[in-house]
Formats: sequence, C-alpha cells, structure tokens
Amino acid sequence: GEDVEQSLFLSVREGDSSVINCTYTDSSSTYLYWYKQEPGAGLQLLTYIFSNMDMKQDQRLTVLLNKKDKHLSLRIADTQTGDSAIYFCAESPPGSSNTGKLIFGQGTTLQVKP
Amino acid sequence: DTGVSQNPRHKITKRGQNVTFRCDPISEHNRLYWYRQTLGQGPEFLTYFQNEAQLEKSRLLSDRFSAERPKGSFSTLEIQRTEQGDSAMYLCASSRPGEREQFFGPGTRLTVL
Repeated sequence: GEDVEQSLFLSVREGDSSVINCTYTDSSSTYLYWYKQEPGAGLQLLTYIFSNMDMKQDQRLTVLLNKKDKHLSLRIADTQTGDSAIYFCAESPPGSSNTGKLIFGQGTTLQVKP
Repeated sequence: DTGVSQNPRHKITKRGQNVTFRCDPISEHNRLYWYRQTLGQGPEFLTYFQNEAQLEKSRLLSDRFSAERPKGSFSTLEIQRTEQGDSAMYLCASSRPGEREQFFGPGTRLTVL
C-alpha cells in the first residue's frame, strides 16, 4: 500500500542541525523527494534521491535513504530562521514512472528559534 | 517564465453551489497535476494530464469533480454541488516529460459554508 509518515513537529535553535525523518511503506518506490512549503507559498522541491542511492548531498542538505528499513531523512546543516517551514516527504509509487504522481506525507513543521 | 499560476486564490461559496478553478502551467510543460491539501495534511493526488489527455484519476475524485485541459495548456477543475468536506487548498503542478521536478502553483483555497 501507499503510505508515507512523518513526525509532525521539530524545534531547533539557529545554527544547529535539523534532522527530519520519514518512513514509507512501498519498497518499490523509485524516487523519494523532499518538498518545502512556506506560508502562502507553493510547494518547492528541495531535493530527491533515486532508490538505488544511499545518500545525496546538496550544499546544506543531506538526504539519507535506508531501503531496508524504508526510512528517509533530511538533514539541514547550520539551520537558519529562513528554514522555518513545513517539510514534506513524498514518494513515486510503482507504476507512476509514466505519470509522475506523488504520494506525500503529512508534513513536519520545522521551527527555528533565534 | 512566471511559474504556475492559479485563479482565484481564494473562493468562498455556499454548500450546493458549483465552483471552477483555473490553472495555467509553465509554458512547454505538457504534464499537469491537480492535488488537494487539507489543513495539517500533505497534498493528495487528484488527477493527471499529459497534454489534453486525462490519464489518471484518483478515487478521491468523485462524480462531482471534473477536470479538463482542452487545448493542452491551461486546466480547469470544477466541483459541482459543493459540500463542506470539499473545503481545502487545491494545488496545481506542472512538469516536463522525463523530469522529476513538479512545479507547484500557490493554490486555490476553497471554503464551503
């Protein structure tokens, strides 16, 4: 079945690292994504990882994928107040390679305290 | 390139009325998606177009919902006989074939009284 779960809330201090976690149920998913949503703004793709990779790094962002445990994490180094937003994990379920349809988690609200 | 645009941004209607939303994707993006997002939840897939063809519809899309993309450019989503449970943010996204990134519009917030 298709299901993506995330913890709902994370609070960190400015300058610390943030780690947002996600679990998914469909081991056949080909791509896994992290999106960011700021108030009043559309969803913005931050990064994605192909399922045959373990890690992907992009500037302050590090994505770790544990396929055995179906666990995905997003680490934000040196978290800034501008990183405060809702972060969504999403997967491309099998059969969606032709459509690109995404299944989203419920989102993790990241609060960055100065 | 001004991104994906959606109109209206907000819509308040009474239960039982029909509403129509419009999405203008990024030009040359032939893939177009509609999602629905309720408070505290992630977006849920509703339907997908490739050019003018509607290729997939979610079970969430009841008979009261209809989406079109007549010329393969803009798309409309109509909800007939609205119910309070239809209150949500309706998001549109577009992408190029073979590319993983979907570009999302700002959404249309529907409130059904």
